[in-house]
Amino acid sequence: AQSVTQLDSHVSVSEGTPVLLRCNYSSSYSPSLFWYVQHPNKGLQLLLKYTSAATLVKGINGFEAEFKKSETSFHLTKPSAHMSDAAEYFCVVSADSGYSTLTFGKGTMLLVSP
Amino acid sequence: DTAVSQTPKYLVTQMGNDKSIKCEQNLGHDTMYWYKQDSKKFLKIMFSYNNKELIINETVPNRFSPKSPDKAHLNLHINSLELGDSAVYFCASSQVSRGPWNGYTFGSGTRLTVV
Repeated sequence: AQSVTQLDSHVSVSEGTPVLLRCNYSSSYSPSLFWYVQHPNKGLQLLLKYTSAATLVKGINGFEAEFKKSETSFHLTKPSAHMSDAAEYFCVVSADSGYSTLTFGKGTMLLVSP
Repeated sequence: DTAVSQTPKYLVTQMGNDKSIKCEQNLGHDTMYWYKQDSKKFLKIMFSYNNKELIINETVPNRFSPKSPDKAHLNLHINSLELGDSAVYFCASSQVSRGPWNGYTFGSGTRLTVV
């Protein structure tokens, strides 16, 4: 069984300040972990993925995440927020490969103010 | 060239009607999925097909019937639509059987509103 907990339903930052979106997971298997972003009325776009290679994963648009097995965390960060980063972010876990389905967190809405 | 395309993008229909949502992927993936996103934006798996064969069927009413004519297509037919079926439905695809698994590619979603 696997589950994901996104610790904040909303995060508000000012443009140019760092972003931290927190995610904890549990999985019976060696997990694959993902962050997806959903802009208003849009589909889901993959930001980055961890699939048992390097623990620090770099994604698109300056985002990165670090897999910490001891803390069962996969927090998403960005050094400097941009207005266009305002969106819903989903942390996702899957058992490694196979037909396993994705288990989504409940999402964190990132609000960016000028 | 869209990798996973769904049609229609929006669908408004009356209770009791039957409707279909189509999904096509041009990535050569062997596995396709339907996910439902509810009003609170929570996403949950409904079905999964691998090479046209149903492999995952979560607890979904029988009114929902997926159909996969070939491995590039996975359509979702819904009978006797109910108000509670209003949601955004996402199609996705994935390459499972060969090479490293890179997760899913999602379509842009179909917003279904039942009135």
